[in-house]
Amino acid sequence: KQEVTQIPAALSVPEGENLVLNCSFTDSAIYNLQWFRQDPGKGLTSLLLIQSSQREQTSGRLNASLDKSSGRSTLYIAASQPGDSATYLCAASGPSGYSTLTFGKGTMLLVSP
Amino acid sequence: EAQVTQNPRYLITVTGKKLTVTCSQNMNHEYMSWYRQDPGLGLRQIYYSMNVEVTDKGDVPEGYKVSRKEKRNFPLILESPSPNQTSLYFCASTVSPGHYGYTFGSGTRLTVV
Repeated sequence: KQEVTQIPAALSVPEGENLVLNCSFTDSAIYNLQWFRQDPGKGLTSLLLIQSSQREQTSGRLNASLDKSSGRSTLYIAASQPGDSATYLCAASGPSGYSTLTFGKGTMLLVSP
Repeated sequence: EAQVTQNPRYLITVTGKKLTVTCSQNMNHEYMSWYRQDPGLGLRQIYYSMNVEVTDKGDVPEGYKVSRKEKRNFPLILESPSPNQTSLYFCASTVSPGHYGYTFGSGTRLTVV
């Protein structure tokens, strides 16, 4: 069964820092890996999706990488801002059918002004 | 606006009183899914549906029912709610799981007393 782990569980940084959030998965036979953002009391917002054949995806100040062979993905946030404060979740699609989505427990990020 | 709409946002009910949480999407997505989110356990899949009249169990289906009579709607039914079903529930949809990203609803916070 796929297991997804996110490290660290919580992270606090001053505004302007570049930071990396880590996500690891136990079964490399995934279809894709997604990163989401969740604000307190709110739903999930999709940030980036990396297909299994891709190595990275970029959107603005966000860059997500995928290394299937090592079972790892990273989310890089450049020049962090207080508005980036949220919980970041990664989720792997597959391998037991592409209809399954296994989530990590998230990294709670706090960016201080 | 493309979205997944859940209702209600908040619900407090008593043990054993049947309830339905509605989910509707306006993107003509074939795939829809329900998740529950609990502290320390993360997001776990309850049920999913690949298309109209096609549903299947996720990781934690006990105590829940679903139906998919129309493409846009995927209600979650708790026939006899118990306190251990107190949780934050999310509905999600996608064009094709494993190939495209998911759109999540804003969540339903359910409390069973």
